[in-house]
Amino acid sequence: DQQVKQNSPSLSVQEGRISILNCDYTNSMFDYFLWYKKYPAEGPTFLISISSIKDKNEDGRFTVFLNKSAKHLSLHIVPSQPGDSAVYFCAANRENNLFFGTGTRLTVIP
Amino acid sequence: DTGVSQNPRHKITKRGQNVTFRCDPISEHNRLYWYRQTLGQGPEFLTYFQNEAQLEKSRLLSDRFSAERPKGSFSTLEIQRTEQGDSAMYLCASSFVSTQYFGPGTRLTVL
Repeated sequence: DQQVKQNSPSLSVQEGRISILNCDYTNSMFDYFLWYKKYPAEGPTFLISISSIKDKNEDGRFTVFLNKSAKHLSLHIVPSQPGDSAVYFCAANRENNLFFGTGTRLTVIP
Repeated sequence: DTGVSQNPRHKITKRGQNVTFRCDPISEHNRLYWYRQTLGQGPEFLTYFQNEAQLEKSRLLSDRFSAERPKGSFSTLEIQRTEQGDSAMYLCASSFVSTQYFGPGTRLTVL
């Protein structure tokens, strides 16, 4: 059972525009959510996180929004840069276990 | 470099052989995790240590898999009698509180 879902396998965005990556989850017991970025042949790199008691966290060009009632979170990247091109994974934490989505491949077109 | 390190980065083995991977966490992190990632999927949790104690194991961790963290520092993951279905990227992560930081992974190919 996939408790964390990323329904868009890929997304293409023009450089300078906003990238919005979406993630849905089913388990209301998740207490912490994270976004990771992954390049080929490397491990996931931590980007940004949000506690379940908050609805927004911002770090530079990256903002994560959490809508608990909808069990939905999103990552906004603005402005998008070509170096942002990678696979982005959403993850949710419960009791020190991370549950990952299947990833969204972001391509930022120069 | 003070990040999580994993060795080897790549391992090719024949079916039925045993393999062992090593993970060195970030030095002040007391928690260490192992994940497995296959093509097109996100990482899947295998097991978790707090210091030297193995606190949780996923049902994915069959009896052919064993993990240790003998002194609460580095960890090893051993797979006995490897099968072709074991081919995957094996990722290690460490944390002090909530955020897990990942190593580069060990890619296992079982022929």
